Amino acid sequence: AQSVAQPEDQVNVAEGNPLTVKCTYSVSGNPYLFWYVQYPNRGLQFLLKYITGDNLVKGSYGFEAEFNKSQTSFHLKKPSALVSDSALYFCAVRPRYSSASKIIFGSGTRLSIRP
Amino acid sequence: EAGVAQSPRYKIIEKRQSVAFWCNPISGHATLYWYQQILGQGPKLLIQFQNNGVVDDSQLPKDRFSAERLKGVDSTLKIQPAKLEDSAVYLCASSRLEGTDTQYFGPGTRLTVL
Repeated sequence: AQSVAQPEDQVNVAEGNPLTVKCTYSVSGNPYLFWYVQYPNRGLQFLLKYITGDNLVKGSYGFEAEFNKSQTSFHLKKPSALVSDSALYFCAVRPRYSSASKIIFGSGTRLSIRP
Repeated sequence: EAGVAQSPRYKIIEKRQSVAFWCNPISGHATLYWYQQILGQGPKLLIQFQNNGVVDDSQLPKDRFSAERLKGVDSTLKIQPAKLEDSAVYLCASSRLEGTDTQYFGPGTRLTVL
């Protein structure tokens, strides 16, 4: 079965330090990969996506993610964390060779940035 | 550009009652999605429309859930009768096209079934 795993329920980082939010997937072929962020009482906001090309994808708010085919991972990173980055982050995948456009979301990782 | 609008934002009902949610997508977006997000989980797709046709409703509990998108714009999602396990946030999203196109989400409707 196709799935997405976010192994950490919560990640705690000090402001100014680099952050990584992990995502691995189990989908046949090279899927399309996405990161979304959710702030309290708000819907999900798109951060970035990998379709093809350069394995390092740059997105909104200084975030980037690296597609690693051999490790089937798509970790979200930021060189210097801000307190305002504190939120719930979701990784999502969509099978590339499928007539259905269903996107599968991970369970989410809560990122907490301390001042 | 206006975002995806949803109403109501909050709804509390008793089990076996019915409830309806409304979504207005971003203007010009052909694809509309309804997701169910249970506390502590990621969103799960319930149904996807392309214009006013259903593309995927494989995870929609059709014995109690229904959705329509008349005229290919606004959409309503209905639950009848509601069960306790339906308590969740119901998210509507839209995209210009399907596939890899970015989905834009509304603020969601938080449903509590007592």
